[in-house]
Amino acid sequence: QVQLVESGGGWVKPGGSLRLSCAASGSTFRNFYMSWIRQAPGKGLEWISYISSSGTTVYYADSVKDRFTISRDNAKNSLDLQMDSLRADDTAVYYCASTRTTPNWYFDLWGRGTLVTVSS
Amino acid sequence: SSGLTQPPSLSMSPGQTARITCSGDALPNQYASWYQQKPGQVPVLLIYRDTERSSGIPERFSGSSSGTIATLTISGVQAEDEADYYCQSTVSIGTVVFGGGTTLTVL
Repeated sequence: QVQLVESGGGWVKPGGSLRLSCAASGSTFRNFYMSWIRQAPGKGLEWISYISSSGTTVYYADSVKDRFTISRDNAKNSLDLQMDSLRADDTAVYYCASTRTTPNWYFDLWGRGTLVTVSS
Repeated sequence: SSGLTQPPSLSMSPGQTARITCSGDALPNQYASWYQQKPGQVPVLLIYRDTERSSGIPERFSGSSSGTIATLTISGVQAEDEADYYCQSTVSIGTVVFGGGTTLTVL
């Protein structure tokens, strides 16, 4: 059973940057499509980014487009999210999740999340 | 609208049948998925492809969909089912939406 563990969260000032990572156990990570999903304190879930198994296809929610960059290193079984120009409303728990895309998108395996706090 | 709308809350007694609805214009053309999130825990996939139960999910959880409304049904609600429930769908390739969530309280 693959496990996902996020890291890299913390406190950052508005306008700052942070890089999140998601480490996957198991040798099948290279076959997984992956997403980042976040949850602001006391709020609901928000999908923010997706990357295909090879890394050639990426998508972003409008709320993070042009500020966040998703990437992966299949040799290291890792998924990253580079977050720039952070704003207070980016404060949330960030989850990485395995993404199924056939016949529709859904998220069948989640990490435990890492908290990002953007505050001055 | 490309969003998904859920009732904010629902209160049930143990043993009753709970039905949580999810409304959205995309649902006639896209499958819905459902997630359960207990306080302080990670979301868990319950239902995908409108009606398919995820591995290990009890049979009392079922899903259905008709037109613009998807429904999660919990038959014989138990105290352990007290949680937030989220529906989710794909509006278009590369655009995923979640409903606002429904808090189920078991009285």
